[in-house]
Amino acid sequence: EIVMTQSPATLSVSPGERATLSCRASQSVSSNLAWYQQKPGQAPRLLIYGASTRATGIPARFSGSGSGTEFTLTISSLQSEDFAVYYCQQYNNWPRFGPGTKVDIK
Amino acid sequence: EVQLVESGGVVVQPGGSLRLSCAASGFTFDDYTMHWVRQAPGKGLEWVSLISWDGGSTYYADSVKGRFTISRDNSKNSLYLQMNSLRTEDTALYYCARQLSDILTVLDYWGQGTLVTVSS
Repeated sequence: EIVMTQSPATLSVSPGERATLSCRASQSVSSNLAWYQQKPGQAPRLLIYGASTRATGIPARFSGSGSGTEFTLTISSLQSEDFAVYYCQQYNNWPRFGPGTKVDIK
Repeated sequence: EVQLVESGGVVVQPGGSLRLSCAASGFTFDDYTMHWVRQAPGKGLEWVSLISWDGGSTYYADSVKGRFTISRDNSKNSLYLQMNSLRTEDTALYYCARQLSDILTVLDYWGQGTLVTVSS
């Protein structure tokens, strides 16, 4: 069973600043890693898959990197609408999500 | 426009049964593998089950295996989750979601969820 961890649990960032979120897998998942954004009261929204491919309609300020066991989601300049919880998900085998990182306003 | 609309969530006693439905529109339903994912109140996301485009393959998380059954009716563009022997820990918002492609177990569209509460 692959276990996903995310850090930090909460990230406080000022609007316009860069945010860097980390996701780690307990064993290699190659590039089979996706990122989702979830705002309060809303369903998750797919941001990134294949570790670095932006989903349809996702702004270029969102970027993903990494492979194997270490992955990063970077939001280059935080907008007000980006304050949310972010989940990583591996799909090397059955889908498994990380516990999430909450990005809130500093 | 892709739409997924879940229904069927209610309050049910432990040991009870429930069937959730998900009505799909805006895409060719029988081209896609579909999933159920749940989220306990204030918690993270947990994958529950998936079903292939033709219903021929189904898979379950260990936490629900033997108790939940996923199914679909492509003639009705509908996905279902039969939930038996419900436990308090099954309390969650249940989302249906579409898989992006055959080879990528990534979920590109989600419904708004239906709330299942298991309580005496």
